[in-house]
Amino acid sequence: GAGVSQTPSNKVTEKGKYVELRCDPISGHTALYWYRQSLGQGPEFLIYFQGTGAADDSGLPNDRFFAVRPEGSVSTLKIQRTERGDSAVYLCASSSQPGSEAFFGQGTRLTVV
Amino acid sequence: KNQVEQSPQSLIILEGKNCTLQCNYTVSPFSNLRWYKQDTGRGPVSLTIMTFSENTKSNGRYTATLDADTKQSSLHITASQLSDSASYICVVRDNNAGNMLTFGGGTRLMVKP
Repeated sequence: GAGVSQTPSNKVTEKGKYVELRCDPISGHTALYWYRQSLGQGPEFLIYFQGTGAADDSGLPNDRFFAVRPEGSVSTLKIQRTERGDSAVYLCASSSQPGSEAFFGQGTRLTVV
Repeated sequence: KNQVEQSPQSLIILEGKNCTLQCNYTVSPFSNLRWYKQDTGRGPVSLTIMTFSENTKSNGRYTATLDADTKQSSLHITASQLSDSASYICVVRDNNAGNMLTFGGGTRLMVKP
């Protein structure tokens, strides 16, 4: 596609529910990043994929968060037993290779009520 | 402690005036530093990229400087326009850690007529 696409753009869920956030990177980009951005803050690193494998998942806050990229393209960020503190904008970015410019999607705004 | 610190946190200037945003980082070893512009409700978009060997780089009315010895960067905006109102985020790429991007907290700039 022309850019990084994230769906849904907005998601409201009840506390305790499970959610999935999807990221379609730019075609051919091998590196994919997930970030979380709270209101008024800069993005916070969650996980980085190189191809199908998670090269660095040190930013995932706890075991309720999990991300996959089974075919090295689309990635899904999964959050179990959501909490109100999970409310944030979840940003996805991709780059053609490590070290090159990362292009960001518009984010998914998650609200846990 | 955040490895990328930005100042000021927020700034209000009048249209047509100049301003300078600051970024101090401790990320090491350092690969490159980018300034991103993030409009409200959108993902960050890269403005400039600098490697350790570059001291200054311009992109239109935006000029970035880098002092790799003191680990400081600045973004100077000349003749500000209303459309410059956004968050400006300093992002440093770590040469280790899977080329992870480390974000500063951003400076929220508001340009008033």
